[in-house]
Amino acid sequence: GDSVTQMEGPVTLSEEAFLTINCTYTATGYPSLFWYVQYPGEGLQLLLKATKADDKGSNKGFEATYRKETTSFHLEKGSVQVSDSAVYFCALSGTGANSKLTFGKGITLSVRP
Amino acid sequence: GAVVSQHPSRVICKSGTSVKIECRSLDFQATTMFWYRQFPKQSLMLMATSNEGSKATYEQGVEKDKFLINHASLTLSTLTVTSAHPEDSSFYICSAGRNYGYTFGSGTRLTVV
Repeated sequence: GDSVTQMEGPVTLSEEAFLTINCTYTATGYPSLFWYVQYPGEGLQLLLKATKADDKGSNKGFEATYRKETTSFHLEKGSVQVSDSAVYFCALSGTGANSKLTFGKGITLSVRP
Repeated sequence: GAVVSQHPSRVICKSGTSVKIECRSLDFQATTMFWYRQFPKQSLMLMATSNEGSKATYEQGVEKDKFLINHASLTLSTLTVTSAHPEDSSFYICSAGRNYGYTFGSGTRLTVV
Protein backbone atom coordinates (compact mmCIF):
# COMPACT_ATOMS: atom_id res chain seq x y z
CA GLY A 1 0.00 0.00 0.00
CA ASP A 2 0.88 3.66 -0.07
CA SER A 3 3.34 4.96 2.48
CA VAL A 4 5.24 8.10 3.37
CA THR A 5 8.59 8.17 5.14
CA GLN A 6 9.90 11.28 6.84
CA MET A 7 13.30 11.86 8.34
CA GLU A 8 13.60 11.35 12.07
CA GLY A 9 13.23 14.35 14.32
CA PRO A 10 13.10 16.58 16.18
CA VAL A 11 15.00 19.31 14.39
CA THR A 12 16.32 22.36 16.17
CA LEU A 13 17.70 25.30 14.19
CA SER A 14 18.78 28.84 14.84
CA GLU A 15 16.79 31.66 13.27
CA GLU A 16 17.75 32.35 9.65
CA ALA A 17 19.23 28.88 9.18
CA PHE A 18 18.49 26.78 6.10
CA LEU A 19 15.90 24.06 6.52
CA THR A 20 15.55 20.73 4.73
CA ILE A 21 13.06 18.09 5.81
CA ASN A 22 13.27 14.89 3.80
CA CYS A 23 10.23 13.00 2.60
CA THR A 24 10.03 9.96 0.37
CA TYR A 25 7.01 8.00 -0.68
CA THR A 26 5.79 4.70 -2.07
CA ALA A 27 2.63 4.71 -4.12
CA THR A 28 0.99 3.24 -7.15
CA GLY A 29 0.03 5.49 -9.98
CA TYR A 30 0.53 9.23 -9.79
CA PRO A 31 -0.24 10.54 -6.32
CA SER A 32 -0.55 14.13 -5.26
CA LEU A 33 1.92 15.22 -2.59
CA PHE A 34 1.38 17.60 0.29
CA TRP A 35 3.10 19.27 3.19
CA TYR A 36 0.94 20.15 6.17
CA VAL A 37 1.89 22.15 9.25
CA GLN A 38 0.41 21.76 12.71
CA TYR A 39 0.85 24.36 15.42
CA PRO A 40 0.44 23.28 19.06
CA GLY A 41 -3.12 22.34 19.93
CA GLU A 42 -4.42 23.03 16.44
CA GLY A 43 -5.52 21.12 13.39
CA LEU A 44 -3.55 20.83 10.19
CA GLN A 45 -2.99 23.59 7.69
CA LEU A 46 -1.99 22.99 4.12
CA LEU A 47 1.46 24.44 3.54
CA LEU A 48 1.96 23.48 -0.09
CA LYS A 49 1.21 20.77 -2.60
CA ALA A 50 2.21 19.36 -5.96
CA THR A 51 0.04 17.24 -8.18
CA LYS A 52 2.42 15.94 -10.84
CA ALA A 53 6.05 15.16 -11.44
CA ASP A 54 8.45 18.14 -11.50
CA ASP A 55 5.81 20.46 -10.03
CA LYS A 56 7.13 22.79 -7.36
CA GLY A 57 4.86 23.78 -4.52
CA SER A 58 5.69 26.95 -2.63
CA ASN A 59 4.22 29.04 0.15
CA LYS A 60 5.53 31.38 2.87
CA GLY A 61 9.11 30.83 1.72
CA PHE A 62 8.81 27.04 1.82
CA GLU A 63 9.34 24.98 -1.32
CA ALA A 64 9.12 21.34 -2.31
CA THR A 65 9.55 19.70 -5.71
CA TYR A 66 7.78 16.52 -6.78
CA ARG A 67 10.59 14.20 -7.87
CA LYS A 68 9.19 11.05 -9.40
CA GLU A 69 12.59 9.57 -10.22
CA THR A 70 13.62 9.63 -6.56
CA THR A 71 10.04 9.39 -5.18
CA SER A 72 10.78 12.38 -2.98
CA PHE A 73 9.15 15.63 -1.92
CA HIS A 74 11.68 17.31 0.35
CA LEU A 75 10.67 20.52 2.10
CA GLU A 76 13.09 23.45 2.09
CA LYS A 77 13.24 27.00 3.38
CA GLY A 78 16.16 29.32 2.97
CA SER A 79 15.81 31.22 6.24
CA VAL A 80 13.62 29.92 9.05
CA GLN A 81 11.93 32.08 11.65
CA VAL A 82 10.90 31.39 15.22
CA SER A 83 7.29 31.43 14.03
CA ASP A 84 8.04 28.40 11.82
CA SER A 85 8.30 26.23 14.92
CA ALA A 86 5.65 23.54 14.46
CA VAL A 87 5.15 19.94 13.41
CA TYR A 88 5.43 19.25 9.68
CA PHE A 89 3.72 16.34 7.96
CA CYS A 90 4.38 15.02 4.50
CA ALA A 91 1.39 13.29 2.90
CA LEU A 92 0.15 11.79 -0.32
CA SER A 93 -3.23 11.13 -1.83
CA GLY A 94 -4.32 8.72 -4.48
CA THR A 95 -5.31 9.62 -7.98
CA GLY A 96 -9.07 9.66 -7.46
CA ALA A 97 -11.00 12.69 -6.26
CA ASN A 98 -11.34 12.70 -2.48
CA SER A 99 -8.90 9.82 -2.05
CA LYS A 100 -7.68 9.40 1.47
CA LEU A 101 -4.47 11.03 2.65
CA THR A 102 -1.58 8.93 3.87
CA PHE A 103 0.65 10.78 6.32
CA GLY A 104 4.25 10.48 7.35
CA LYS A 105 5.07 10.43 11.05
CA GLY A 106 5.66 14.14 11.22
CA ILE A 107 8.68 16.03 12.43
CA THR A 108 8.91 18.71 15.07
CA LEU A 109 10.83 21.82 14.13
CA SER A 110 12.03 24.19 16.83
CA VAL A 111 13.65 27.46 15.81
CA ARG A 112 15.74 29.33 18.39
CA PRO A 113 15.94 33.14 18.34
CA GLY B 1 -11.47 29.89 1.40
CA ALA B 2 -12.99 26.60 2.46
CA VAL B 3 -13.52 26.29 6.21
CA VAL B 4 -14.40 23.29 8.33
CA SER B 5 -15.69 24.13 11.79
CA GLN B 6 -15.08 21.42 14.38
CA HIS B 7 -16.71 21.42 17.82
CA PRO B 8 -16.04 21.10 20.62
CA SER B 9 -12.37 21.97 20.68
CA ARG B 10 -11.94 20.35 24.08
CA VAL B 11 -14.12 17.98 26.04
CA ILE B 12 -13.72 16.09 29.27
CA CYS B 13 -16.12 13.28 29.96
CA LYS B 14 -16.57 10.53 32.47
CA SER B 15 -15.74 6.97 31.63
CA GLY B 16 -18.76 5.15 30.22
CA THR B 17 -20.44 8.19 28.72
CA SER B 18 -20.69 9.11 25.05
CA VAL B 19 -19.28 12.16 23.33
CA LYS B 20 -20.30 13.65 19.99
CA ILE B 21 -17.91 15.65 17.83
CA GLU B 22 -19.27 17.74 14.97
CA CYS B 23 -17.64 18.94 11.80
CA ARG B 24 -19.40 21.43 9.58
CA SER B 25 -18.28 22.70 6.21
CA LEU B 26 -19.19 26.36 6.29
CA ASP B 27 -19.00 27.50 2.71
CA PHE B 28 -18.89 24.38 0.61
CA GLN B 29 -20.44 20.95 0.34
CA ALA B 30 -18.31 18.14 1.69
CA THR B 31 -19.20 14.93 -0.09
CA THR B 32 -16.44 13.06 1.72
CA MET B 33 -15.31 13.45 5.32
CA PHE B 34 -12.28 11.77 6.84
CA TRP B 35 -11.90 11.21 10.57
CA TYR B 36 -8.45 10.92 12.10
CA ARG B 37 -7.07 10.21 15.51
CA GLN B 38 -3.76 11.57 16.68
CA PHE B 39 -1.82 10.37 19.71
CA PRO B 40 0.67 12.71 21.38
CA LYS B 41 3.67 13.40 19.20
CA GLN B 42 2.50 10.93 16.59
CA SER B 43 1.06 11.08 13.13
CA LEU B 44 -2.58 11.06 12.13
CA MET B 45 -4.25 7.70 11.94
CA LEU B 46 -7.20 7.48 9.59
CA MET B 47 -10.16 5.99 11.41
CA ALA B 48 -12.87 6.11 8.77
CA THR B 49 -14.10 7.71 5.59
CA SER B 50 -17.68 8.80 5.22
CA ASN B 51 -19.64 9.82 2.17
CA GLU B 52 -22.83 11.80 2.44
CA GLY B 53 -25.85 9.55 2.67
CA SER B 54 -24.00 6.26 2.95
CA LYS B 55 -22.34 4.19 5.63
CA ALA B 56 -18.84 5.03 6.70
CA THR B 57 -15.90 2.86 5.69
CA TYR B 58 -13.76 2.04 8.69
CA GLU B 59 -10.05 1.28 8.66
CA GLN B 60 -8.85 -2.04 9.88
CA GLY B 61 -8.79 -2.26 13.65
CA VAL B 62 -11.25 0.58 14.26
CA GLU B 63 -14.37 -0.48 16.10
CA LYS B 64 -17.37 0.75 14.14
CA ASP B 65 -19.73 0.21 17.05
CA LYS B 66 -17.58 2.35 19.29
CA PHE B 67 -16.87 5.16 16.88
CA LEU B 68 -20.16 6.00 15.23
CA ILE B 69 -19.94 8.24 12.19
CA ASN B 70 -22.89 9.99 10.63
CA HIS B 71 -22.73 12.04 7.47
CA ALA B 72 -26.37 12.86 6.95
CA SER B 73 -25.89 16.06 4.98
CA LEU B 74 -23.33 17.67 2.72
CA THR B 75 -22.36 20.14 5.42
CA LEU B 76 -22.35 18.08 8.60
CA SER B 77 -20.55 14.96 9.76
CA THR B 78 -20.43 13.70 13.33
CA LEU B 79 -18.26 11.26 15.23
CA THR B 80 -19.70 9.79 18.42
CA VAL B 81 -17.39 8.01 20.81
CA THR B 82 -19.65 5.62 22.66
CA SER B 83 -18.99 4.30 26.14
CA ALA B 84 -15.75 6.20 26.27
CA HIS B 85 -12.82 4.92 28.29
CA PRO B 86 -9.53 6.56 29.25
CA GLU B 87 -7.75 4.83 26.36
CA ASP B 88 -10.01 6.75 23.98
CA SER B 89 -8.43 10.00 25.14
CA SER B 90 -6.85 11.52 22.09
CA PHE B 91 -6.95 14.34 19.56
CA TYR B 92 -9.59 13.78 16.89
CA ILE B 93 -9.48 15.68 13.60
CA CYS B 94 -11.89 15.73 10.69
CA SER B 95 -11.01 16.57 7.12
CA ALA B 96 -13.36 17.35 4.26
CA GLY B 97 -12.38 16.16 0.83
CA ARG B 98 -13.22 18.58 -1.93
CA ASN B 99 -12.05 18.50 -5.52
CA TYR B 100 -8.65 16.96 -4.85
CA GLY B 101 -8.15 19.25 -1.85
CA TYR B 102 -8.56 18.66 1.85
CA THR B 103 -9.70 21.08 4.53
CA PHE B 104 -9.07 20.15 8.13
CA GLY B 105 -11.03 21.02 11.22
CA SER B 106 -9.16 22.48 14.17
CA GLY B 107 -9.39 19.25 16.14
CA THR B 108 -11.04 18.06 19.36
CA ARG B 109 -9.04 17.16 22.44
CA LEU B 110 -10.98 14.39 24.21
CA THR B 111 -10.04 13.48 27.77
CA VAL B 112 -11.87 10.60 29.42
CA VAL B 113 -11.59 10.50 33.20
